[in-house]
Amino acid sequence: NAGVMQNPRHLVRRRGQEARLRCSPMKGHSHVYWYRQLPEEGLKFMVYLQKENIIDESGMPKERFSAEFPKEGPSILRIQQVVRGDSAAYFCASSPVSSGGTDTQYFGPGTRLTVL
Amino acid sequence: GQQVMQIPQYQHVQEGEDFTTYCNSSTTLSNIQWYKQRPGGHPVFLIQLVKSGEVKKQKRLTFQFGEAKKNSSLHITATQTTDVGTYFCAGPRGAQKLVFGQGTRLTINP
Repeated sequence: NAGVMQNPRHLVRRRGQEARLRCSPMKGHSHVYWYRQLPEEGLKFMVYLQKENIIDESGMPKERFSAEFPKEGPSILRIQQVVRGDSAAYFCASSPVSSGGTDTQYFGPGTRLTVL
Repeated sequence: GQQVMQIPQYQHVQEGEDFTTYCNSSTTLSNIQWYKQRPGGHPVFLIQLVKSGEVKKQKRLTFQFGEAKKNSSLHITATQTTDVGTYFCAGPRGAQKLVFGQGTRLTINP
């Protein structure tokens, strides 16, 4: 059973370009979460999605950032017109359908975004 | 909003010494989870505590959940170099969302 997959693992963009980060959850998982981690810092929640629905995007910057989890295919975190401050590791996590409570989240290897 | 605080932020020990990290929440938690992140790696789930006063052990690691369900600790006995990494606690906020502490970064002198 493959774990959470993220690609690319490393992404370099120049200021003003777009970054697209992909996440395929574990098989059987329908909940996807995106986190941002700056160097030497903790994990900051960005967005929580289920198939075709954004459940909670309270951690997403209001501008330039968007996320989707289509019916088919991976979840995408899109950053438009990147700036140097967007440089960070972006982790995706997934969890199974839950009957209640808070499920364990399984993290992918992350995408390290560098903005030049 | 709900905050989860961890102390210390950094801890350096000699191999063989014990290590403890503490996690405190501003609100009562239904459960608390602990994760470990190796340098350059991604967070890996260690354990979940649910019951008030619960204590769980994994080999040299001991996890505790406070009686009031607002604090937790992770204790490592006789650290080894493989224990190096950052340890995060996380508490739920709302449905299915986790709030992570800032983490405690453990380094070990062999």
